[in-house]
Amino acid sequence: AIRMTQSPSSFSASTGDRVTITCRASQGISSYLAWYQQKPGKAPKLLIYAASTLQSGVPSRFSGSGSGTDFTLTISCLQSEDFATYYCQQYYSYPLYTFGQGTKLEIK
Amino acid sequence: EVQLVESGGGLVKPGGSLRLSCAASGFTFSSYSMNWVRQAPGKGLEWVSSISSSSSYIYYADSVKGRFTISRDNAKNSLYLQMNSLRAEDTAVYYCARDGLAVADPFDYWGQGTLVTVSS
Repeated sequence: AIRMTQSPSSFSASTGDRVTITCRASQGISSYLAWYQQKPGKAPKLLIYAASTLQSGVPSRFSGSGSGTDFTLTISCLQSEDFATYYCQQYYSYPLYTFGQGTKLEIK
Repeated sequence: EVQLVESGGGLVKPGGSLRLSCAASGFTFSSYSMNWVRQAPGKGLEWVSSISSSSSYIYYADSVKGRFTISRDNAKNSLYLQMNSLRAEDTAVYYCARDGLAVADPFDYWGQGTLVTVSS
């Protein structure tokens, strides 16, 4: 199975900061990489797919990049509503999907 | 508006069974593959099972293979998960999630989840 490893597992930031979350796949997955945002008690929400394509309705301050094994999610200017947990997911080995362990973004 | 509404969760003893349902609306259910994803308390997301639009292809995570059965009824716009031989480690919120229309797509819509607790 393809393993997805996110870093960091958690970190603190302030409103207005630029933040980057990294996701690494245990083998090449081309661009079959999605990012989700999850807030406490809520279902995950798709933010980015195909590594860099913004889902409809997602603010442009979110961006994704990478291919192969290394990927990043960047939030250019943190807003209060962005404090949440973020997960990457590979769908290269469809339908045997795997998720990263999550990155919890907290307010400093 | 796409909606996915799970039901059927609850408290069950180890070794017991439970059947989850997911009612879909706002889209052509019969055109989409569907999935179950779970999240243990305080933990990350784990894909559980997938079923293709016509039920021709069904897949399971190794952790549930042989114990869980996914199914769907396109006439009723419903997805199901029959869970047998439940274990404490199956305790989680279970989400149904829709695939995109491409062969390999992420999950573009999720339900609100239903909590399954396995405990004596």
